[in-house]
Amino acid sequence: TQLLEQSPQFLSIQEGENLTVYCNSSSVFSSLQWYRQEPGEGPVLLVTVVTGGEVKKLKRLTFQFGDARKDSSLHITAAQPGDTGLYLCARRGSSNTGKLIFGQGTTLQVKP
Amino acid sequence: EPEVTQTPSHQVTQMGQEVILRCVPISNHLYFYWYRQILGQKVEFLVSFYNNEISEKSEIFDDQFSVERPDGSNFTLKIRSTKLEDSAMYFCASTYREMNTEAFFGQGTRLTVV
Repeated sequence: TQLLEQSPQFLSIQEGENLTVYCNSSSVFSSLQWYRQEPGEGPVLLVTVVTGGEVKKLKRLTFQFGDARKDSSLHITAAQPGDTGLYLCARRGSSNTGKLIFGQGTTLQVKP
Repeated sequence: EPEVTQTPSHQVTQMGQEVILRCVPISNHLYFYWYRQILGQKVEFLVSFYNNEISEKSEIFDDQFSVERPDGSNFTLKIRSTKLEDSAMYFCASTYREMNTEAFFGQGTRLTVV
């Protein structure tokens, strides 16, 4: 299956707290992308991870690709209200048409 | 910064009516996509389009749907006879290459079928 399972679905935290969201699949994927979507907007790419075990940092966001390339995580340090949004992981479909398959997303609310 | 633009931002239509959703992809991009997101559900792939033809479509993209690039800049999604369950956010996206490239999404069109 090419399904991506994200957890948790919803997360409500206070400003300054740390959090981790997960993206899992039963199958191996060649790469994984993380997107952030704000209300009324389209998804915006945050990062692409390609190599098993890879870690990428984007300011307070740390992205990790599992060694077996079946899972990924996004860790946010010292969350801020501006981090509020829907976080989506996505993988390429098996056909080479550029199609993206998305997880169901994690809705993050950071309260001041 | 180049962006994908979609019009209208919100469309309300009666069941059975035809709607056309419009998108202007980034000018040097070659691959175009439509996705939809029903409220509270995941973003779902509808169709990909390259070189003036559909390269892949999902099960959702049945005979009621069609896409067109009529003039080299616009990319349209037509729903011939809308159903209540077509109510969703529709996102257009474009990429420069097919693989190993960033997809740029428009801000979406909210379609409400009543």
